Amino acid sequence: AQTVTQSQPEMSVQEAETVTLSCTYDTSESDYYLFWYKQPPSRQMILVIRQEAYKQQNATENRFSVNFQKAAKSFSLKISDSQLGDAAMYFCAYRSAKLGSGGGADGLTFGKGTHLIIQP
Amino acid sequence: DARVTQTPRHKVTEMGQEVTMRCQPILGHNTVFWYRQTMMQGLELLAYFRNRAPLDDSGMPKDRFSAEMPDATLATLKIQPSEPRDSAVYFCASGPYRVGRTEAFFGQGTRLTVV
Repeated sequence: AQTVTQSQPEMSVQEAETVTLSCTYDTSESDYYLFWYKQPPSRQMILVIRQEAYKQQNATENRFSVNFQKAAKSFSLKISDSQLGDAAMYFCAYRSAKLGSGGGADGLTFGKGTHLIIQP
Repeated sequence: DARVTQTPRHKVTEMGQEVTMRCQPILGHNTVFWYRQTMMQGLELLAYFRNRAPLDDSGMPKDRFSAEMPDATLATLKIQPSEPRDSAVYFCASGPYRVGRTEAFFGQGTRLTVV
C-alpha cells in the first residue's frame, strides 16, 4: 500500500516571501500521479497542482511549483510571493496511474496535511 | 461553473439515527468517490463508483455504512445506526477518470456530528 508523509504539521511565512512544503511518499509502482490540494477554512478541497511521474519536468501553476524527485520519492510544493489568501491546510496526495477495477487504486492517498500561516 | 454539490452542509443527529448524505457529481464525470476526514485519521477513501457501478467499498464499515448511486446525477452515503465515532466531514468527489484525465473535484463536504 502507498503512504504519503507530510512532516511539517505547521509552517509560517511572511507575506510576499517564498515557502516550501515537504512531502514524501512510498510506493512500489513506477507510474503514478501526485497532487497538492489546498483546504481553506471553507472546507473546500481545491486542486493546486499535479505531477505525472513519467514527466521529468516539474509542474508549475502561476506562483505554485513543485520539486519532484522520483528517485528520492519526494514531492515538495513551493509557493512564491505568498499572499494572505494562501493561508490554508495543504495536502499532498498520491494516485496510481492504473485505471483500476477496484481495490481503491483509483482513489487518492493523502498525507496528514500542513497548516500554512501567512504573516502580514 | 461545474461543481460537485453535497447536501446537507451540516448535520447534527442523535446516536442511533439514520443519516443520509447526498452528492451530485459534475455532469459527465464517470467516477464518484466518498471520503471521510477526521482529525485523527485525516482523509480516508470510503468507497467509489465508476459508471454507477461500485468498484470498492473496503474503506467503509460494512455493518452500518452503505453507498449507492441510483442514477448518474446522485450518489448517497447512508449510516444506520449512527454512532458518535462517525462524527467527521464527509466529502464526495468526482472525476472524468480516463487516460490523461486524473483530477478529482471535491464538494464542500457534509459536517456530521453524532451526539
